[in-house]
Amino acid sequence: QQPVQSPQAVILREGEDAVINCSSSKALYSVHWYRQKHGEAPVFLMILLKGGEQMRHEKISASFNEKKQQSSLYLTASQLSYSGTYFCGTEIGFKTIFGAGTRLFVKA
Amino acid sequence: DAMVIQNPRYQVTQFGKPVTLSCSQTLNHNVMYWYQQKSSQAPKLLFHYYDKDFNNEADTPDNFQSRRPNTSFCFLDIRSPGLGDTAMYLCATSRGGSEAEQYFGPGTRLTVT
Repeated sequence: QQPVQSPQAVILREGEDAVINCSSSKALYSVHWYRQKHGEAPVFLMILLKGGEQMRHEKISASFNEKKQQSSLYLTASQLSYSGTYFCGTEIGFKTIFGAGTRLFVKA
Repeated sequence: DAMVIQNPRYQVTQFGKPVTLSCSQTLNHNVMYWYQQKSSQAPKLLFHYYDKDFNNEADTPDNFQSRRPNTSFCFLDIRSPGLGDTAMYLCATSRGGSEAEQYFGPGTRLTVT
């Protein structure tokens, strides 16, 4: 079942913060986060494997609340290079089911 | 150095004319995936291989077939493309396992006219 992401889109000024949420109606055993820039392939950011786990990729961090079946991605002091679509994914066997994505646009 | 390579990067084909997309990897990963991504949508998994073990998604049209002759190569065959098959096709690989990230190729943008 596809995880649900919110918001669908975010517009930020450089230096502002944003939070992207990912939730599932089914139990989450792990959460993957990817970023895809326009016209390019998705690029892996991080995986969270355990409830309460927090990970970081540069100034982007994420948390995983296993009980609430949700994960959040925190973009701090956003840079122009953060623009793109962020996908969370849940794992079933060897497959990753991606959410619909959150479009992030950072302007100067 | 490119780790997941897809050819061609752009392909235009006519309605009903078979087309083959190719993917190769230098990572020696066990798992290879094919995704279809339409404009402004999430990648949609079509099938994946764990080694030679083929796994088809239930909603993948019969029109789509795949071959993996060896660890390094995987092909996507579309037997009779329709206009609705216009999309980006992404190949990805992973080691397998719950903590394994996927490495995506640059994609093939397919246009069916």
